[in-house]
Amino acid sequence: NAGVTQTPKFRVLKTGQSMTLLCAQDMNHEYMYWYRQDPGMGLRLIHYSVGEGTTAKGEVPDGYNVSRLKKQNFLLGLESAAPSQTSVYFCASSYTDRETQYFGPGTRLLVL
Amino acid sequence: GQQVMQIPQYQHVQEGEDFTTYCNSSTTLSNIQWYKQRPGGHPVFLIQLVKSGEVKKQKRLTFQFGEAKKNSSLHITATQTTDVGTYFCAGPVFQGYSTLTFGKGTMLLVSP
Repeated sequence: NAGVTQTPKFRVLKTGQSMTLLCAQDMNHEYMYWYRQDPGMGLRLIHYSVGEGTTAKGEVPDGYNVSRLKKQNFLLGLESAAPSQTSVYFCASSYTDRETQYFGPGTRLLVL
Repeated sequence: GQQVMQIPQYQHVQEGEDFTTYCNSSTTLSNIQWYKQRPGGHPVFLIQLVKSGEVKKQKRLTFQFGEAKKNSSLHITATQTTDVGTYFCAGPVFQGYSTLTFGKGTMLLVSP
């Protein structure tokens, strides 16, 4: 089992460009999450999904969109990147909302 | 909204010294989870505490959940260089479905 994988690992964008981050899990988890991690800020929830076809806003959703068309995949989109979106993005998944979250290796995004 | 606070933000110890990080919630928690993130890595689940006053041990790590279920601590006895990393506590926030609110973490540096 690969667990949770994320692509790409690293990306540089110019302000205004768009991109999609892909998260995939092979553990048949219902719940999936997108977090961003900034120095001194811990992990902040962007969006999450409680099952295929569902999405919900987290703590810091502005400037991001998500889709969960397949149970194993959770996509995070930036329509018009801003320097404030420079961060490390982690995807996570879990069986239920009360159980362990398994994290992917992260995507490091730099917006110039 | 619910807040999960951790102290200290940073601690530097000599190998062999003990280390403790504390986690406090503004509300009563149904459970608390602890994660460890190595430098450049992703968060990895360590343990979950559910019961009031619960104490769990993992080798040199001791985890406690307060009687009021609003605070928790992680104590490492005789630190080793392999303990280096950031330790996060996380508690569930119920908004229809449960998501986790992470503390900002305690970064531990261990000098040989």
